Amino acid sequence: KAGVTQTPRYLIKTRGQQVTLSCSPISGHRSVSWYQQTPGQGLQFLFEYFSETQRNKGNFPGRFSGRQFSNSRSEMNVSTLELGDSALYLCASSDLQETQYFGPGTRLLVL
Amino acid sequence: DQQVKQNSPSLSVQEGRISILNCDYTNSMFDYFLWYKKYPAEGPTFLISISSIKDKNEDGRFTVFLNKSAKHLSLHIVPSQPGDSAVYFCAASARKGSSNTGKLIFGQGTTLQVKP
Repeated sequence: KAGVTQTPRYLIKTRGQQVTLSCSPISGHRSVSWYQQTPGQGLQFLFEYFSETQRNKGNFPGRFSGRQFSNSRSEMNVSTLELGDSALYLCASSDLQETQYFGPGTRLLVL
Repeated sequence: DQQVKQNSPSLSVQEGRISILNCDYTNSMFDYFLWYKKYPAEGPTFLISISSIKDKNEDGRFTVFLNKSAKHLSLHIVPSQPGDSAVYFCAASARKGSSNTGKLIFGQGTTLQVKP
């Protein structure tokens, strides 16, 4: 099976802009979770989607949102970008509640 | 409130020897634990997992031990190889409860260097 794919791999934006990141899970996986990795905070959970419904959300401001489509592909959106949003954004897919498999990530740089 | 802690930021071992990476947790609701290996600017790669009903799980050179009473788990790599050099993260999840779905709590990582 193909692994988790994320696009784009790299992105440069300026403060105030918005950005949309995409994630395609492993075929058959219906759960998609998103994480943010920064040097200071480590890997932090953003939210999780299952069957097009957000089931869980981490402690991030409302500027961070997401959605999931009927084919389990997921997108996350960050509006009104801030310098502190510069990070590696990772998505992971899983079958039910078992092991999460991660994609390569999207490196976002906010200038 | 760091629920998963990896107290050693780095570890250096000689090729062929054993690498032992440690992880402590505080939340007794955690019932599933995982180890991931990560290179810079890449996504974590799953290595091995263990359910709280077990105290040991082995997969090739990798063995994970879980001590529930001490809330401690460790990853043993035997024998260590230079290609094992990477950052290792332990992660935990509480699979029961709707507020926990799809959420892994990660430690801060341990950088392993295996010297030839």
